[in-house]
Order: sequence, then C-alpha cells, then structure tokens
Amino acid sequence: SYVLTQPPSVSVAPGQTARITCGGNNIGSKSVHWYQQKPGQAPVLVVYDDSDRPSGIPERFSGSNSGNTATLTISRVEAGDEADYYCQVWDSSSDHRWVFGGGTKLTVL
Amino acid sequence: EVQLVESGGGLIQPGGSLRLSCAASGFTVSSNYMSWVRQAPGKGLEWVSVIYSGGSTYYADSVKGRFTISRDNSKNTLYLQMNSLRAEDTAVYYCARVDRYSGRFDYWGQGTLVTVSS
Repeated sequence: SYVLTQPPSVSVAPGQTARITCGGNNIGSKSVHWYQQKPGQAPVLVVYDDSDRPSGIPERFSGSNSGNTATLTISRVEAGDEADYYCQVWDSSSDHRWVFGGGTKLTVL
Repeated sequence: EVQLVESGGGLIQPGGSLRLSCAASGFTVSSNYMSWVRQAPGKGLEWVSVIYSGGSTYYADSVKGRFTISRDNSKNTLYLQMNSLRAEDTAVYYCARVDRYSGRFDYWGQGTLVTVSS
C-alpha cells in the first residue's frame, strides 16, 4: 500500500517561512492535498491539487509537488498557523484508497 | 451553505455494534462521493470508507468485513454501521464530502466520538 511520510514536527519563528514535506514514491505523479487541523476541530483543506487554494485560504499558503516530495509552504507565519498539517493522496487505480501522511505539528516559536 | 452533522457516537463494549449518521445540507449526498475518516486519540487521520455516487463502496483493510457504509437518499444522510467493535476502533469519526475528480475532502463534519471499552 502507498505510504506518505511527514516529519513529526516543524518549528518556525513568527514572520518566517515554514516548509512541511510529504514524501512518497513518485508522489509527483499524484495530486496532493493538505489539511490544517487545530486542537478539537475538524480538518480544513488549505491546499489542493498540489498548489491550489480553496476560497478563504490566505495566499501565504502554497504548495508544490515533484519527484518523491510534496511541500506545503507557509509564508510569514503567524501564531494562528500553529496546528497539525496532513498531506493526502487518492489511489484510484486499483484499490480505491485514500492515504494520509502521519501529520506534522507546526509550532510557532 | 454546505453542512455535515454527525451523530450516533458513544461508549460501546468490545464486540458491540453502533451506527453513525451524517446529515447533510446544502448539497445532495447521492450525487457525490462521501467518506468516513477517523482519528484515534492523539493520532493522525485514517481513511475508513467511501461510497461513490453510483453506489460502489470501498473500505480500509482495518474495517473491511465489520463496517458498512450506506446512505438514505430521502433523508440526505450518510451512515456507517460498525459491528464487532474493537478497542482500536476508538476514535473521532468524521464524515466528509469527496471531490470525485481529485479525491480531496472538501467539506468535513465536526466529528462524533466512539469509545470502545468495557
């Protein structure tokens, strides 16, 4: 089965840039989606199809995907960005499975 | 406005059964792909099951043969029937609408907690 690997934690100072990676075999050939989850809340989609943003998501959130790594980039990080972030892909080929990465805790120092 | 509201969670003994419901508004459940995703306490997200608009259903290996996803078109509601529950099924269960083209979960409910314990 397909596996997505994320770093457990990333720390960044306010105003700096946070980069959260998501590793997977030839992930560049798949569409990657990213979710933000704050404590006690449901996940929220922040980036879809590698680099698109849903309406209402700040331009500070961006994404890229190539080779074996997808990356969520958060520019000018704010205290309110502190949350868990999950990457996700859909394996529609044969197993019809949805796969999440293990999640990354973003800490704003 | 799209809304998803789950219900039916609670405390259940190992081996027991529970049915979760997810009432949708703002769109038609039967015209969309709908899914259940769970999150064990302090853990990450885990996909559980999906029902396609055509009625096909798929399950994670961890729940296959024990859980059944279904929908009631007249009530615009999604269900998850959970049988032979185990301690490791303890989690918050979210229903979510799935974009059929990209597989992204674009709308989520607030979740309902299922606790399997004696």
